Amino acid sequence: EADIYQTPRYLVIGTGKKITLECSQTMGHDKMYWYQQDPGMELHLIHYSYGVNSTEKGDLSSESTVSRIRTEHFPLTLESARPSHTSQYLCASSPWGQVQETQYFGPGTRLLVL
Amino acid sequence: SQQGEEDPQALSIQEGENATMNCSYKTSINNLQWYRQNSGRGLVHLILIRSNEREKHSGRLRVTLDTSKKSSSLLITASRAADTASYFCATDSMDTGRRALTFGSGTRLQVQP
Repeated sequence: EADIYQTPRYLVIGTGKKITLECSQTMGHDKMYWYQQDPGMELHLIHYSYGVNSTEKGDLSSESTVSRIRTEHFPLTLESARPSHTSQYLCASSPWGQVQETQYFGPGTRLLVL
Repeated sequence: SQQGEEDPQALSIQEGENATMNCSYKTSINNLQWYRQNSGRGLVHLILIRSNEREKHSGRLRVTLDTSKKSSSLLITASRAADTASYFCATDSMDTGRRALTFGSGTRLQVQP
């Protein structure tokens, strides 16, 4: 099991609410990622970070924002949740390197916006 | 379309049979990785094969890589019901503008007991 944690595991929330999905890792990894995945479908990279104070948008346009104030913590925030945000959100991390090495995934957060 | 595309999209076999999944990609790569995902969970890394390698084994897993055809295959031998999951390939592109792995759409494997 990887030492990467996500909370909450499940979240049901009403439209317009602000939410923060937490992701923490204890492996000292510099690189961290957020993916969005609909059930049974492919993963879409929405944000990534290569270290403290570094954040970049991924391939899929997302209304969410991220921050990286500490190496071990990479929270994702939705200022105003909408039903279209309903999905599974996966956080991952990997050690620093020129090439992309193994990514370690958290268990995911399943978000349902009513 | 996606850098990595798996084939077939879904596969159903009996316990004890072998399962083969294929992955095709478009750009030159540094490495290709295979991951497994149980329903509703995160992904778990299975195996990484570098661009200068042609075959790699790990337990009941065998991965091949053909960079000339830009394709890879994952073979699971003597499958078990516990192998039921989705399997994704992921590529590390040599495209310097690409700073993350690109995941394929996955193959859903069902192993019948």
